[in-house]
Amino acid sequence: RKEVEQDPGPFNVPEGATVAFNCTYSNSASQSFFWYRQDCRKEPKLLMSVYSSGNEDGRFTAQLNRASQYISLLIRDSKLSDSATYLCVVNEGSNYKLTFGKGTLLTVNP
Amino acid sequence: IAGITQAPTSQILAAGRRMTLRCTQDMRHNAMYWYRQDLGLGLRLIHYSNTAGTTGKGEVPDGYSVSRANTDDFPLTLASAVPSQTSVYFCASRPGTGVNEQFFGPGTRLTVL
Repeated sequence: RKEVEQDPGPFNVPEGATVAFNCTYSNSASQSFFWYRQDCRKEPKLLMSVYSSGNEDGRFTAQLNRASQYISLLIRDSKLSDSATYLCVVNEGSNYKLTFGKGTLLTVNP
Repeated sequence: IAGITQAPTSQILAAGRRMTLRCTQDMRHNAMYWYRQDLGLGLRLIHYSNTAGTTGKGEVPDGYSVSRANTDDFPLTLASAVPSQTSVYFCASRPGTGVNEQFFGPGTRLTVL
């Protein structure tokens, strides 16, 4: 069983749209959660960490629900430059090893 | 500051050949990682090193070996390449205890024929 599951996508949205990505994880002992962004043929880069209280960075909002083992990412007012693959990432314990979801491809259209 | 560099950028390799992918970081990060990324499977951990002199196996270690002689370098070796090792390989590093973010290198595209 895959330990981190994401919406399969792809998502195609117009500029200015709001889009939400969801992710579930199987290990209840998981301690840290992240969203990474990966552009085509490039390396993954940290978009934001996800905290229990929820956190916001400009147009991006991340939320964590530990009881449901669920993580979300909301992008408001989508820009063309938001087009990328978004990876849900979980650190399952004190060993700091990360488990990646397969990613969700977002395309923002003009 | 270069961050993390990987070499080569891409490589086509005959099956059975030995190949070493190089990874160097200049951030003095303690931990380093090797991942492979395949379509439909996402990023999978091959080997890792929490500090110089130590290494550990990840999710898909078979056919690969690593060494960590110093803080900066973490080479990945394919002793006898097979076509199933065709993939994009990413090296990553993490500063140290208490910091979970990993920083990735630009990747190496490897094709084994």
